[in-house]
Amino acid sequence: GESVGLHLPTLSVQEGDNSIINCAYSNSASDYFIWYKQESGKGPQFIIDIRSNMDKRQGQRVTVLLNKTVKHLSLQIAATQPGDSAVYFCAENTQAGTALIFGKGTTLSVSS
Amino acid sequence: SAVISQKPSRDICQRGTSLTIQCQVDSQVTMMFWYRQQPGQSLTLIATANQGSEATYESGFVIDKFPISRPNLTFSTLTVSNMSPEDSSIYLCSAGGDYNYGYTFGSGTRLTVV
Repeated sequence: GESVGLHLPTLSVQEGDNSIINCAYSNSASDYFIWYKQESGKGPQFIIDIRSNMDKRQGQRVTVLLNKTVKHLSLQIAATQPGDSAVYFCAENTQAGTALIFGKGTTLSVSS
Repeated sequence: SAVISQKPSRDICQRGTSLTIQCQVDSQVTMMFWYRQQPGQSLTLIATANQGSEATYESGFVIDKFPISRPNLTFSTLTVSNMSPEDSSIYLCSAGGDYNYGYTFGSGTRLTVV
């Protein structure tokens, strides 16, 4: 969903459910995408990345899907755990060596 | 991927003063970046710290307010000058830029200006 004002969109799930966090990007020239997890008081932590020549990449309990046609990125977390509660950001850039540009972020809240 | 040590982790400063934030990387990295994150919001790029040359600033950020140094491939500083309460934020450094090694972030500096 879209953020309103200063509030990040929130996704609330039950422990054990699968979570899907979405991100829309605007630059059709973006070539590289990363998902980060940020816990309170910490810097962003790398989760998974994907290049534009792929449409899916899997990691441990996480999958990133890229749809370049509609400029949409998603992060799927399987069997969500309370430790997954955090803010999740997507980030992109157009060329190796350039800075990442961050999306708005989604707060994931996992209840047990 | 690189490990970044950022300090201070937090500070409370008087308006009109300046604070310098340091970022040390455990290996040589080509690119270093500085971001600002206001409470409850995403990260906004301030500038790219170039080794051996002047930093490249994003729109809305100027060198006089946010001078940056990058004396070598493992270290950078960001100074927040002539601070006002509007500068209260979290400042983060990042290193990397090679797709093989990714982009790593420091733990951030939480700045409060009073």
